[in-house]
Amino acid sequence: DIQLTQSPSFLSASVGDRVTITCRASQGISSYLAWYQQKPGQAPKLLIYGASTLQSGVPSRFSGSGSGAEFTLTISSLQPEDFATYYCQQLNTYPGTFGPGTKVDIK
Amino acid sequence: DVQLVQSGAEVKKPGESLKISCKGFGYTFTSYWIAWVRQMSGKGLEWMGVIYPDDSDDRYSPSFEGQVTISVDKSISTAYLQWRSLKASDTATYYCARLQKYSSGPSRRMDVWGQGTTVIVSS
Repeated sequence: DIQLTQSPSFLSASVGDRVTITCRASQGISSYLAWYQQKPGQAPKLLIYGASTLQSGVPSRFSGSGSGAEFTLTISSLQPEDFATYYCQQLNTYPGTFGPGTKVDIK
Repeated sequence: DVQLVQSGAEVKKPGESLKISCKGFGYTFTSYWIAWVRQMSGKGLEWMGVIYPDDSDDRYSPSFEGQVTISVDKSISTAYLQWRSLKASDTATYYCARLQKYSSGPSRRMDVWGQGTTVIVSS
């Protein structure tokens, strides 16, 4: 199975900060990488797919980049509603493994 | 509205069987895979397996193969996740999600999620 790691695992930030989360795959996955946001008690929500394509309805402050084995999710100006846990997922091969998550908390 | 609606919360005893459901609305159910994802309390997301409703082709994560069964009834646009004998360690929230076909290339994504079904297994 392809393994994904995320860094950092926890991030404390303030409203307005620029935040970057990194996801690394154990082998190349081309651009088969998606990012999800999950808030407590809610289902995950798709933010980015194909490594860099913004899902319809997702604010433009979210962006994704990378290909191969290293990817980043950037929030250009953190908003109060962005405090959540973020997961990357590879869909290059089955099983479609998820990263362990990055929790973004309020500083 | 495109949505997946899951069955309600369950409280079961160890050794009991269980089948939870995920019904699709507002799209062609047979044109997308349905994935099942486990989330144990306070933990991350775990891919369990997928099924293609049109032909019931299924794939399981090695971690869940033999532990659960994924099935589908395309006539009622419903996918299922089933256990024959529950364990306390099956206590978790289970999500279904819609997944594009592999022919979508890197655009594959889980874009529609059910609300989750919480399963509690306790004696």
